[in-house]
Amino acid sequence: GESVGLHLPTLSVQEGDNSIINCAYSNSASDYFIWYKQESGKGPQFIIDIRSNMDKRQGQRVTVLLNKTVKHLSLQIAATQPGDSAVYFCAENISGGGSYIPTFGRGTSLIVHP
Amino acid sequence: NAGVMQNPRHLVRRRGQEARLRCSPMKGHSHVYWYRQLPEEGLKFMVYLQKENIIDESGMPKERFSAEFPKEGPSILRIQQVVRGDSAAYFCASSPGSRRAGANVLTFGAGSRLTVL
Repeated sequence: GESVGLHLPTLSVQEGDNSIINCAYSNSASDYFIWYKQESGKGPQFIIDIRSNMDKRQGQRVTVLLNKTVKHLSLQIAATQPGDSAVYFCAENISGGGSYIPTFGRGTSLIVHP
Repeated sequence: NAGVMQNPRHLVRRRGQEARLRCSPMKGHSHVYWYRQLPEEGLKFMVYLQKENIIDESGMPKERFSAEFPKEGPSILRIQQVVRGDSAAYFCASSPGSRRAGANVLTFGAGSRLTVL
């Protein structure tokens, strides 16, 4: 299943399925993007990042895809586990010189059923 | 090798009182960011500081809110004369700085949850 971001929608999946979380960013000048995971009662934690000169980056069980044409970002989680249950935020950023302040979307709540 | 430390974790205040939230950045980090999070909402930027300097406070309400990051000691977010609408989780994050590797990645604390009665 998949979900479009920025509203705090909920995505429910079965353990072992692949999850796709989507995010639409707003600033065409943004050139650096990060996905964070926030578990209940905790602060956000870095998952994976991607710069605008790439369209795909893979980590351990996670892949981020970037489509600059439509200003869209997605996070794919392979073989989703109950421990992946959390709220996932994408953040956009403009790097290079001066101050840059990551701007966060509202997030998507991922619920993994055992 | 402690991460970003925030305290208190939970704070209860009555309307009109003052709230002070503290944040100690990761060792070696010189930049601090404060974000506010309402239930079921994302993180809203408030202020970005370096030691003894406010770099960007465009997200701070014009009244009652202030932030500092002194030469010695933690960064402090201060909310005067709190109202019920100030109830939220306040997250602090730190980064190494704009000219160093990994500067764009923020390391977050566990947050301070303010409840205004």
